Amino acid sequence: DAKTTQPPSMDCAEGRAANLPCNHSTISGNEYVYWYRQIHSQGPQYIIHGLKNNETNEMASLIITEDRKSSTLILPHATLRDTAVYYCIGVGWSARQLTFGSGTQLTVLP
Amino acid sequence: EAQVTQNPRYLITVTGKKLTVTCSQNMNHEYMSWYRQDPGLGLRQIYYSMNVEVTDKGDVPEGYKVSRKEKRNFPLILESPSPNQTSLYFCASSSLPTGSFNSPLHFGNGTRLTVT
Repeated sequence: DAKTTQPPSMDCAEGRAANLPCNHSTISGNEYVYWYRQIHSQGPQYIIHGLKNNETNEMASLIITEDRKSSTLILPHATLRDTAVYYCIGVGWSARQLTFGSGTQLTVLP
Repeated sequence: EAQVTQNPRYLITVTGKKLTVTCSQNMNHEYMSWYRQDPGLGLRQIYYSMNVEVTDKGDVPEGYKVSRKEKRNFPLILESPSPNQTSLYFCASSSLPTGSFNSPLHFGNGTRLTVT
């Protein structure tokens, strides 16, 4: 299964873009890259996912490198409500055990 | 409303007293999973189920049991709880379109368990 590595913490100024990196060098070809976030002790919330191509939705953009060994989640205009722990995970048939790791604590500063 | 419902939200119990945390989803999802969350350790998977009557161990299954007799329900059973099982627990579910994992997990609101 794909192990992911994320920085433990990041800060971002309100209104600026937040770029959260994730390394997943062992990801296999059929594993999706998923991003979730967790605010305080609430249940994690889905943000976005992708397989090979870059993806964009109303919340964020996902940039996956061509070799699929890393990805970046982009929150285009961060707000204080985006302060949360962000998790990147690899998910696929060989990675049915969905281990989230410790994630990145993003703090959006006023 | 599509949701994953866990009960109870809070539970305080004593060592050795069997308990069950219920999880139910109304989205006809095949995949269901239990996680525990402890400070500094992220979300760790306890058990997961790919469909009815199919369950598998996650990363930290010791001390837990699960069952999947119906598609919508996936209860977590602690036969003899111990203080090291004090934690925040989450249930989650997702569909498996065409057998792939191209569908996100939906999480419940969590159950905070304290074992004294």
